[in-house]
Amino acid sequence: AQRVTQPEKLLSVFKGAPVELKCNYSYSGSPELFWYVQYSRQRLQLLLRHISRESIKGFTADLNKGETSFHLKKPFAQEEDSAMYYCALSGKNFNKFYFGSGTKLNVKP
Amino acid sequence: EAGVAQSPRYKIIEKRQSVAFWCNPISGHATLYWYQQILGQGPKLLIQFQNNGVVDDSQLPKDRFSAERLKGVDSTLKIQPAKLEDSAVYLCASSLNPEKLFFGSGTQLSVL
Repeated sequence: AQRVTQPEKLLSVFKGAPVELKCNYSYSGSPELFWYVQYSRQRLQLLLRHISRESIKGFTADLNKGETSFHLKKPFAQEEDSAMYYCALSGKNFNKFYFGSGTKLNVKP
Repeated sequence: EAGVAQSPRYKIIEKRQSVAFWCNPISGHATLYWYQQILGQGPKLLIQFQNNGVVDDSQLPKDRFSAERLKGVDSTLKIQPAKLEDSAVYLCASSLNPEKLFFGSGTQLSVL
């Protein structure tokens, strides 16, 4: 069965500290992985996608097929990074998106 | 570009009543999704349309939920009758490129 697990509901770090938001998945096949973000009073929006190998706002995510993980990382957190982060996966044809339960990142000054 | 529009923004009803939500996707987006997000959980896909056809509705509780997308543009999601456990935020999303979903602001439903 398809599942996305984000083990941390809340992650608090100080400004300038490294941050890693964990995401583990189970999927029968080769999934496509994404991170979506929701800033306060804003809509849920795409942050980055695995297939693009991109870095957005200093965030990167590496797909580890052996550990079935897609952790989101940033070397130096900023206060404006405070938001709700959702890991998501879909199949090769992007037919269905499965979202994790989300991690709230709080970056303290 | 204009974003995905949803209405109403909030809705409070009593159990066993009916409720409907409306979604206007971004112009030209063929794919439209309805998600249910219960407090503390991630969005859960209820139904996915491609133009005006249903691609997936496997997680839609069809005994009480229904959705339609007339003319492949606007969509409505209806609950009849509502239960307490339907209290949630109902999100509409649309996409042109299936890799990237654009979400609306959502409708927060409270069933008392």
